[in-house]
Amino acid sequence: NAGVTQTPKFRILKIGQSMTLQCTQDMNHNYMYWYRQDPGMGLKLIYYSVGAGITDKGEVPNGYNVSRSTTEDFPLRLELAAPSQTSVYFCASSYYYEGRGSYEQYFGPGTRLTVT
Amino acid sequence: EDKVVQSPLSLVVHEGDTVTLNCSYEVTNFRSLLWYKQEKKAPTFLFMLTSSGIEKKSGRLSSILDKKELFSILNITATQTGDSAIYLCAVDSNPFGNEKLTFGTGTRLTIIP
Repeated sequence: NAGVTQTPKFRILKIGQSMTLQCTQDMNHNYMYWYRQDPGMGLKLIYYSVGAGITDKGEVPNGYNVSRSTTEDFPLRLELAAPSQTSVYFCASSYYYEGRGSYEQYFGPGTRLTVT
Repeated sequence: EDKVVQSPLSLVVHEGDTVTLNCSYEVTNFRSLLWYKQEKKAPTFLFMLTSSGIEKKSGRLSSILDKKELFSILNITATQTGDSAIYLCAVDSNPFGNEKLTFGTGTRLTIIP
């Protein structure tokens, strides 16, 4: 298994440009997440999905959009990039077992995005 | 608002020392507490704790949860330079059956040879 893969690894955007961060997992996980991590800060949840066709906002969703058309893919879209979106973005996935309670998340390697 | 606080923010020790990292939390619907190790890139999972007083161990690392006092500790004995990393604590608070992890800012651990 490749686990959780993210592309690109690095990207520099100009203010106002758009881009999509790709995330794919091959573990048949039903839950997928997007986090951002700013320097010296913890991970903050942007959006998450509990299954194909179902997405929901996390703590910091403004300026982002997501879709989940398949179990494997969970792309994150930035429509009008702003300097405040300079961050490292992590995608994660997990499998939720009904009745078991919590479960660990598997993280991708991250995408370092700079908006200038 | 759910909150996870880790201390210390950073720690520098010599190889062979024992360290204790702290994580306290205030959440509305606690389900579990998770510890991650983050080196250069993505966090990797260490432990998941759901019950008070039961120690989880993996080699030189161990962790325990106190649900009455709302904290957890992560112990690393006989530290090695490879233990240098940021250690993240996260709490799963899951009010409507959907996943929600709140992360602390992490403790940056540096091991000096």
